Amino acid sequence: EAGVTQSPTHLIKTRGQQVTLRCSPISGHTSVYWYQQALGLGLQFLLWYDEGEERNRGNFPPRFSGRQFPNYSSELNVNALELEDSALYLCASSLGGRTNEKLFFGSGTQLSVL
Amino acid sequence: AQSVAQPEDQVNVAEGNPLTVKCTYSVSGNPYLFWYVQYPNRGLQFLLKYITGDNLVKGSYGFEAEFNKSQTSFHLKKPSALVSDSALYFCAVRRATDKLIFGTGTRLQVFP
Repeated sequence: EAGVTQSPTHLIKTRGQQVTLRCSPISGHTSVYWYQQALGLGLQFLLWYDEGEERNRGNFPPRFSGRQFPNYSSELNVNALELEDSALYLCASSLGGRTNEKLFFGSGTQLSVL
Repeated sequence: AQSVAQPEDQVNVAEGNPLTVKCTYSVSGNPYLFWYVQYPNRGLQFLLKYITGDNLVKGSYGFEAEFNKSQTSFHLKKPSALVSDSALYFCAVRRATDKLIFGTGTRLQVFP
């Protein structure tokens, strides 16, 4: 069974640019989560999608946005990149509609903003 | 609002000794509590969870955790640490209809 896949694995961007990160959940999973893991800050919750709808959003500015497609894959978009956006972005999936289910994480996208 | 705290940035323990990684939480209502582990150059992996029922839950790799409602804690424990347990451990909490939030992580270092 394929796990959660994220692309690309690494990205280097400059300030002000825009970036799109992609995530494919485990087959059968309808919930997708996005987290930002910056050094020393643990995992910061970004977004939660389930069945194509945004269920919850973390305390991030509006330039962080995303969507979930009918096949349950997801994109995270970050506009007007800032230096502090440099981090590992993790996607996770779980069975939908069950918040007591464990999350399965991808290996992440390492974003560097110069 | 919900929050989770891991008061120790790092825990050092000798191989063979028992280990404890601490976690406290704040959430209204009944919490769902989780532990995840992040090994070097690998993604986060689920260890165990508490949803309801027995306060002592057992998970992967010999780890266990005890839910203590009065102290709002969910400490991770293992009777005998292995060098291979060295990793970054995250506690997480959510309410039934809310997002899953993580603590800042505790680095466990097991020395031979």
